[in-house]
Amino acid sequence: GDKVKQSPSALSLQEGTNSALRCNFSIAATTVQWFLQNPRGSLINLFYLVPGTKENGRLKSAFDSKESYSTLHIRDAQLEDSGTYFCAAEAGGSNAKLTFGKGTKLSVKS
Amino acid sequence: NAGVIQTPRHKVTGKGQEATLWCEPISGHSAVFWYRQTIVQGLEFLTYFRNQAPIDDSGMPKERFSAQMPNQSHSTLKIQSTQPQDSAVYLCASSRDWGGGTQYFGPGTRLLVL
Repeated sequence: GDKVKQSPSALSLQEGTNSALRCNFSIAATTVQWFLQNPRGSLINLFYLVPGTKENGRLKSAFDSKESYSTLHIRDAQLEDSGTYFCAAEAGGSNAKLTFGKGTKLSVKS
Repeated sequence: NAGVIQTPRHKVTGKGQEATLWCEPISGHSAVFWYRQTIVQGLEFLTYFRNQAPIDDSGMPKERFSAQMPNQSHSTLKIQSTQPQDSAVYLCASSRDWGGGTQYFGPGTRLLVL
């Protein structure tokens, strides 16, 4: 099965509303990164997390290593938030490779 | 800071030909990663280097794929005898710290094998 499961796989939001995306890990994730892939295909790093929470503007993310999940909250969604959101986990040790989820495709409508 | 640079941005090859993809990491970054993205498989790890030394190539198809990092300013991914199933976007990323940290991705090379 998938080592990193993202949900939902797709989401449609009205501008100005809030949402939460989630990743569950079946590997021993030690750090998590969240990315947005914009319509041009560029992967933009949103957060790098050790266990705990981070906030940046309208985005807030949390990572719980004991319960093996991470969340990304989007507040007051804007049109430019549209794209595909990926979470990725590092399984620790000295190996920094990332294992990605399948992504959540977000569409924000006016 | 130009970010991670990848060339070419698009490449079309015929089945059986060789393809070489280039990556220039962010200056001062000590780790370089290669991933590929397809609709079916999603984003998959291929290989990575730490201070130019190969660390993990567990994601590389063994027979036709190879990667090198001859100096700190560039890495290459070579695919010999390309097959249609090699068609994908190949992404390079770099991070400042060799032990982990934020990975910054390049724009990718879209490879199409006819």
